[in-house]
Amino acid sequence: EAQVTQNPRYLITVTGKKLTVTCSQNMNHEYMSWYRQDPGLGLRQIYYSMNVEVTDKGDVPEGYKVSRKEKRNFPLILESPSPNQTSLYFCASSSFRGQGSYEQYFGPGTRLTVT
Amino acid sequence: AQSVTQLDSQVPVFEEAPVELRCNYSSSVSVYLFWYVQYPNQGLQLLLKYLSGSTLVESINGFEAEFNKSQTSFHLRKPSVHISDTAEYFCAVSRNTGNQFYFGTGTSLTVIP
Repeated sequence: EAQVTQNPRYLITVTGKKLTVTCSQNMNHEYMSWYRQDPGLGLRQIYYSMNVEVTDKGDVPEGYKVSRKEKRNFPLILESPSPNQTSLYFCASSSFRGQGSYEQYFGPGTRLTVT
Repeated sequence: AQSVTQLDSQVPVFEEAPVELRCNYSSSVSVYLFWYVQYPNQGLQLLLKYLSGSTLVESINGFEAEFNKSQTSFHLRKPSVHISDTAEYFCAVSRNTGNQFYFGTGTSLTVIP
């Protein structure tokens, strides 16, 4: 089954404690992206990756890091989480080719609370 | 940078009535346009997209959207809604390089029996 998986689905942590949210896709997609969803603000792009070892900042990259060492994985790293990073996070992937080009497949989301 | 405006944050509509969810974008370059739907406690799913060609695009469940370049709009319409259409709808735009995506703030569609 084609899918994007994220772990963990729920996470409560404290300010300053480094954490990683994993994202994996099994569709051989070149493109992967991270978003955060906040009430009244919609989805905002944090980072994206056009292919392995190619990453770039989205609209709200401050406080986040990413890496793309393998095509299928795109982890999101919060080196020192703060309460304003409490949010719902989505990973997505897509291909640039074929009938489904640019169609982003979204993971189920990770709800992060930073106290 | 692009921006996307969804003017209606909430749209209540009676079952079997028509609905239009509005989306306007600002961009000086060629763009790709998308509508996504989010059901409660789920991720987003693509509803339809415009990349090029015919300005009227349709989804498999009866929604359609029309790209209007002069008005920079991509409104979503359905002639007769069902209870199951109750969800959050997001309009999104990307430059035709397909790298950065910008989403609107969403429209919550509630279908009333």
